Amino acid sequence: EVQLVESGGGLVKPGGSLRLSCSVSRFTFNVAWMSWVRQAPGKGLECVGRIKSKTDGGTIDYAAPVKGRFTISRDDSKNTLYLQMNSLKTEDTAVYYCTSIGYGDYYFDNWGQGTLVTVSS
Amino acid sequence: EIVLTQSPATLSLSPGERATLSCRASQSVSSYLAWYQQKPGQAPRLLIYDASNRAIGIPARFSGSGSGTDFTLTISSLGPEDFAVYYCQQRSTWPSFGGGTKVEIK
Repeated sequence: EVQLVESGGGLVKPGGSLRLSCSVSRFTFNVAWMSWVRQAPGKGLECVGRIKSKTDGGTIDYAAPVKGRFTISRDDSKNTLYLQMNSLKTEDTAVYYCTSIGYGDYYFDNWGQGTLVTVSS
Repeated sequence: EIVLTQSPATLSLSPGERATLSCRASQSVSSYLAWYQQKPGQAPRLLIYDASNRAIGIPARFSGSGSGTDFTLTISSLGPEDFAVYYCQQRSTWPSFGGGTKVEIK
């Protein structure tokens, strides 16, 4: 069974930075398209961004609210996905899930357990 | 941005009953619609993709239908493990999710 494990969440002040990691196992990571999806407390779901595999061009796309502030990257040698978050705002407070994409672009077929990011002064 | 509106917000049913959940899109998404199940404290789980295709491992009691702007998720006979929140999601444009329908025990 595919395993995705996020880490790096925590409490950060507005304007601060945080880097999330997602370690993937039992999965051919280097050909996988991956995504970050977040869920504010008690709220619905929002796709933050998606990165294609390097063999498919490595294209990265971001949601409008995070474009220019968040950066998705991957290290295929470590089977790890990253989310660098800069200039954090209170509205970025959420559980951040790492997901794989399957059955078509932007369908999220495997999910990690999530890591909580709290932006507060 | 395509807005997905789910109804009802809460569905109160007994085990063994049939559940019918609705998702309406603000503009056509063709068949690019998925359904997810989320239980408290857990990540969502993909149930249905492309409106009517079950993901691997999803029981046959879950079925999806619809195209364009109106979609339905049907659970033919509710098992105790099916009480959860269900979200629809479109990928016709930048992905967006509905607000969810909570299926609770009556």
